[in-house]
Amino acid sequence: GAVVSQHPSWVICKSGTSVKIECRSLDFQATTMFWYRQFPKQSLMLMATSNEGSKATYEQGVEKDKFLINHASLTLSTLTVTSAHPEDSSFYICSARDSRLAGGLAEQYFGPGTRLTVT
Amino acid sequence: DAKTTQPTSMDCAEGRAANLPCNHSTISGNEYVYWYRQIHSQGPQYIIHGLKNNETNEMASLIITEDRKSSTLILPHATLRDTAVYYCIVRVGSAGNKLTFGGGTRVLVKP
Repeated sequence: GAVVSQHPSWVICKSGTSVKIECRSLDFQATTMFWYRQFPKQSLMLMATSNEGSKATYEQGVEKDKFLINHASLTLSTLTVTSAHPEDSSFYICSARDSRLAGGLAEQYFGPGTRLTVT
Repeated sequence: DAKTTQPTSMDCAEGRAANLPCNHSTISGNEYVYWYRQIHSQGPQYIIHGLKNNETNEMASLIITEDRKSSTLILPHATLRDTAVYYCIVRVGSAGNKLTFGGGTRVLVKP
């Protein structure tokens, strides 16, 4: 099946700094990618939809100025957590769907996740 | 997208079939049933999806009731590696449509 990678797999940063997380579709092109956040023992929460060549669409309650999303190519989306605080510590997961598959029934493929710890 | 209801947790015996129920009584005619699973500290993994016919692949079988108000995911021979949280999601099958995850069922396969 299709492969989605994330980098880094884990990161520890100091409060107030910014962290960039990359999401890549390795063997397919994705005009749309999704960013999720997952706190311990909770389900995945969609943060935003990343659209290649245009602005991301954020879910209600997600600060777009804090979580900057850039989808500059058909295989790469980045999420930057700006001025990170301990409450931003979480598991961040991206997903992508193959743009070439018709009808939109293509399943989403998820990355392995990035564990962010803000100290 | 229609909401789903799943049991919070269930245990099953290694080597036996695991039957995971999902209720989606408000499903619309153009909504598909998707199943994903998430093994601890990993990203979710796609399992199977269907509209109204039963589906089978190398991982599992999906049985959808005739009225489409519920479905069952069947893992034919559960292994210890099938221990995970299983999510049942219903959504319109159109391009770019997002997935909304509920609480899922925490499945523990025991030897």
